[in-house]
Amino acid sequence: LAKTTQPISMDSYEGQEVNITCSHNNIATNDYITWYQQFPSQGPRFIIQGYKTKVTNEVASLFIPADRKSSTLSLPRVSLSDTAVYYCLVLTGGGNKLTFGTGTQLKVEL
Amino acid sequence: EPEVTQTPSHQVTQMGQEVILRCVPISNHLYFYWYRQILGQKVEFLVSFYNNEISEKSEIFDDQFSVERPDGSNFTLKIRSTKLEDSAMYFCASSGTGISYEQYFGPGTRLTVT
Repeated sequence: LAKTTQPISMDSYEGQEVNITCSHNNIATNDYITWYQQFPSQGPRFIIQGYKTKVTNEVASLFIPADRKSSTLSLPRVSLSDTAVYYCLVLTGGGNKLTFGTGTQLKVEL
Repeated sequence: EPEVTQTPSHQVTQMGQEVILRCVPISNHLYFYWYRQILGQKVEFLVSFYNNEISEKSEIFDDQFSVERPDGSNFTLKIRSTKLEDSAMYFCASSGTGISYEQYFGPGTRLTVT
């Protein structure tokens, strides 16, 4: 199981782009990178997943360099409602348990 | 959009009592999970369930815990004799097949053991 490291917290302002970087130095060939978001007193919510290069959806972009030892979640033009904890996870195979770390607490202010 | 539902939203029970937490996963999903989150701590995996049997469980999921899919739609977590340290948010999740790691989480049941 690849260990992930991400900042404990980040602060931003509305309208800014936020980039949260996660390192996963011992990622294996078959591993995928996935990000979840959690608001207080709610269950985690899937944001995005990727294997290499760049993935974009309506919520975020995920950048993965060629060596795959890190990944960056990019949130364009954040708003107050993006204040949440963001988790980076590395997974092998579908249908498996999710192992959450402490995540990155993002606080967005006016 | 389909969603996972959980009942009750809040359960208060006395130590030593049995509780059953209920979940209705998304209808065409095949994998089901329970997680818990003690206040201020990480989300912790408890158990995964596939093809009517437990596929994986954590150290937390001891003999006091059991899961069941009694009728093809509900997925339940039973705690036989609750302890104070079982107080937590319990989240049910489900996922489909294939390579996607997207697990859909329910809103949670807050269990308070007094």
